[in-house]
Amino acid sequence: GAGVSQSPSNKVTEKGKDVELRCDPISGHTALYWYRQSLGQGLEFLIYFQGNSAPDKSGLPSDRFSAERTGGSVSTLTIQRTQQEDSAVYLCASSLEGGEGRAGMETQYFGPGTRLLVL
Amino acid sequence: QKEVEQNSGPLSVPEGAIASLNCTYSDRGSQSFFWYRQYSGKSPELIMFIYSNGDKEDGRFTAQLNKASQYVSLLIRDSQPSDSATYLCAGRRGFQKLVFGTGTRLLVSP
Repeated sequence: GAGVSQSPSNKVTEKGKDVELRCDPISGHTALYWYRQSLGQGLEFLIYFQGNSAPDKSGLPSDRFSAERTGGSVSTLTIQRTQQEDSAVYLCASSLEGGEGRAGMETQYFGPGTRLLVL
Repeated sequence: QKEVEQNSGPLSVPEGAIASLNCTYSDRGSQSFFWYRQYSGKSPELIMFIYSNGDKEDGRFTAQLNKASQYVSLLIRDSQPSDSATYLCAGRRGFQKLVFGTGTRLLVSP
């Protein structure tokens, strides 16, 4: 079946512009995560959705960052007034959660990422 | 102290050898641990997950977890040049975010 998809794959923008990054999770996966990976760095958690609600937004770096999820499926991460330090690969992951006892249900599967470059 | 720590490497091993990748974690509440492989310019792909103390084997890969020592490792037997990548260790509490280490770069020479 189809994996997690993200668009655009690459985005170059000018400082101060707004950008929207899209994630389409694996069908049926209720949980969706956004991470950021800067050059040579590990993955940094941004936000977690369970269905359409976001129980954990603790990783969003500033109020310029926001995300939403509609219909329990597609999610959009929006960065307003982009800064050069926002340049990174933005990765989305989804997992099948809910219920108990099935080992590995919470395994997160990653999309290909969006490479954002802010000039 | 980072929640999940890994030696950045590179770890260099000859083809056919065993590669041993190590990870320590500070959050005793972490319940599950994941090893992801990431090729340069690509997204992470899951290799293995482990919940229980002891060893878990899958083909050439063995994950080891020692909760008392807060230590997770990944052994790769019969290493191949195609195994050359960055290996990311991550821990997790229940259905929460993955907390990643910065990864260990593995180089397998022919």
